[in-house]
Amino acid sequence: GAVVSQHPSWVICKSGTSVKIECRSLDFQATTMFWYRQFPKQSLMLMATSNEGSKATYEQGVEKDKFLINHASLTLSTLTVTSAHPEDSSFYICSARDRAGGIYNEQFFGPGTRLTVL
Amino acid sequence: QKEVEQDPGPLSVPEGAIVSLNCTYSNSAFQYFMWYRQYSRKGPELLMYTYSSGNKEDGRFTAQVDKSSKYISLFIRDSQPSDSATYLCAMSAKDSGYSTLTFGKGTMLLVSP
Repeated sequence: GAVVSQHPSWVICKSGTSVKIECRSLDFQATTMFWYRQFPKQSLMLMATSNEGSKATYEQGVEKDKFLINHASLTLSTLTVTSAHPEDSSFYICSARDRAGGIYNEQFFGPGTRLTVL
Repeated sequence: QKEVEQDPGPLSVPEGAIVSLNCTYSNSAFQYFMWYRQYSRKGPELLMYTYSSGNKEDGRFTAQVDKSSKYISLFIRDSQPSDSATYLCAMSAKDSGYSTLTFGKGTMLLVSP
């Protein structure tokens, strides 16, 4: 149980285009989903926290107009990178917290999406 | 000073060795401490978590937390080539509802047969 999927796993796009990444909790309902970015040999950096049915909360320094997050249902959150540029190339990972989770509220991570902007 | 410090390695050991992975942190509010394993080009998977100070054992893995020193460790006994991965420590505090995880950079472990 507790499986999180991401689609696509790998995407290459031209500079200036927009890319949408999907994150799904397959066997549980997730009231909260998180989006992280990871550069090579670097830590996972939290970009934003999204709660189902409400606006996402962005971390300091993350442009909300560039990284659009939608959490329309308890099992799906999307991250859209708008007008992507080469510096947006990174590994994007989502995680989801089980609605029925206990005090610890473990986050289950997706397999990640590698974005390359040419 | 970063909130969580972790030596990036790589740490190379022969099969069967005992591995010690460590993190130090500066925020005394952290109360949950986690270790994740991340294979190349994959998402992290939770290995163990510990609340506050103490030890926790699960098979070949032992997690230790010393809050007085702000130091956590993960020990792997009888290491196997399949243990080769990047190990990330992560921590959370009550003021975020334990929902915000602060990660270390990760230590790359290479176990040779």
